[in-house]
Amino acid sequence: DVKVTQSSRYLVKRTGEKVFLECVQDMDHENMFWYRQDPGLGLRLIYFSYDVKMKEKGDIPEGYSVSREKKERFSLILESASTNQTSMYLCASSVAFGELFFGEGSRLTVL
Amino acid sequence: QKEVEQNSGPLSVPEGAIASLNCTYSDRGSQSFFWYRQYSGKSPELIMSIYSNGDKEDGRFTAQLNKASQYVSLLIRDSQPSDSATYLCAVTPSGGSYIPTFGRGTSLIVHP
Repeated sequence: DVKVTQSSRYLVKRTGEKVFLECVQDMDHENMFWYRQDPGLGLRLIYFSYDVKMKEKGDIPEGYSVSREKKERFSLILESASTNQTSMYLCASSVAFGELFFGEGSRLTVL
Repeated sequence: QKEVEQNSGPLSVPEGAIASLNCTYSDRGSQSFFWYRQYSGKSPELIMSIYSNGDKEDGRFTAQLNKASQYVSLLIRDSQPSDSATYLCAVTPSGGSYIPTFGRGTSLIVHP
């Protein structure tokens, strides 16, 4: 079975802090994604990556950056956390054709 | 903007009934279609994929695709309380992109 592991299930941070969310997949998938999910807004794509060191902006990249130094690892970085970034963050990986495998999610609260 | 629309629900059905979940999409050239199930507090899990017109059955689940009418549906037969969840429709657009567009999901409640 595909396993996508997110490093932290719950985080509480203060406004202005730098936040790292890490994601590791064990199925040698080329593609990795970061989404955030908020009630009533559904899943929104922040960034995706189709290869090591390659990244593309999704629908809501503002305030976020990403890093993919190794194929299995995709990190999401909040340079200066703000309260409107309080959300559930979901990492996913896939081969072609859009069949995504999600991690368990990281619930971030910014105070 | 390519859109995927779902009725947010909740859709409430009695145990043992057929639950019918519907999804429409705007991109006529869409290639691939998926249903994800998301339990409360959990992450989405892929349960069905369908790529060509017609029906695809997997156990109690049947996905139906009609490209001419631009809709895809999910039927759950013999619904169980454990099927209570939010069901997300996802569509991969035309042009070879592998990035699906997600609907906002339909909440299903199966009551005993």
